[in-house]
Amino acid sequence: DAGVIQSPRHEVTEMGQEVTLRCKPISGHNSLFWYRQTMMRGLELLIYFNNNVPIDDSGMPEDRFSAKMPNASFSTLKIQPSEPRDSAVYFCASSLNRALLEQYFGPGTRLTVT
Amino acid sequence: ELKVEQNPLFLSMQEGKNYTIYCNYSTTSDRLYWYRQDPGKSLESLFVLLSNGAVKQEGRLMASLDTKARLSTLHITAAVHDLSATYFCAVDMKETSGSRLTFGEGTQLTVNP
Repeated sequence: DAGVIQSPRHEVTEMGQEVTLRCKPISGHNSLFWYRQTMMRGLELLIYFNNNVPIDDSGMPEDRFSAKMPNASFSTLKIQPSEPRDSAVYFCASSLNRALLEQYFGPGTRLTVT
Repeated sequence: ELKVEQNPLFLSMQEGKNYTIYCNYSTTSDRLYWYRQDPGKSLESLFVLLSNGAVKQEGRLMASLDTKARLSTLHITAAVHDLSATYFCAVDMKETSGSRLTFGEGTQLTVNP
């Protein structure tokens, strides 16, 4: 299995621009999670989906952030407009719900907003 | 709100020594996970602990879970440089329609020659 795939791996953008991060979960997994990691705040859960349905988006920092999961094999996290404080590493993880619930993490997208 | 606290947050130790990392959490849960993260890398699953008294071992690392004390430990035996990394514990907060993990702050381990 290829594992969780994220793209791009690195993104540098200017403040005010729209940023879209992409994630392909492990085939067969039906739960998907978006995390943000920074030195100051550690690892934060932004949103998670179960069977393509958003279950909890209470971690989404502002309305500038939105996430979608149009099908079982693809999810996006969009920031519009981006701000320098959004600079972080964004991880996508997937798991097989109702089993061990172990989450498998993707390689992450390092976002820098200048 | 579930809180997960690790200590120490920073640990510098010599090769060959033993040490324990602690993970306390604030609410009832019987599922706890340990992850490892190397600098600039993603998180790698180490252990899954699913019941009170569970103990798992892999090489020089051993994890245990005491759900009554709401405590998990990660014990390092005869540390080697390759174990240098950040270690996270995470607790499952099982909900009706799914589950979510709450992560501790991480323990940054440096093993010195």
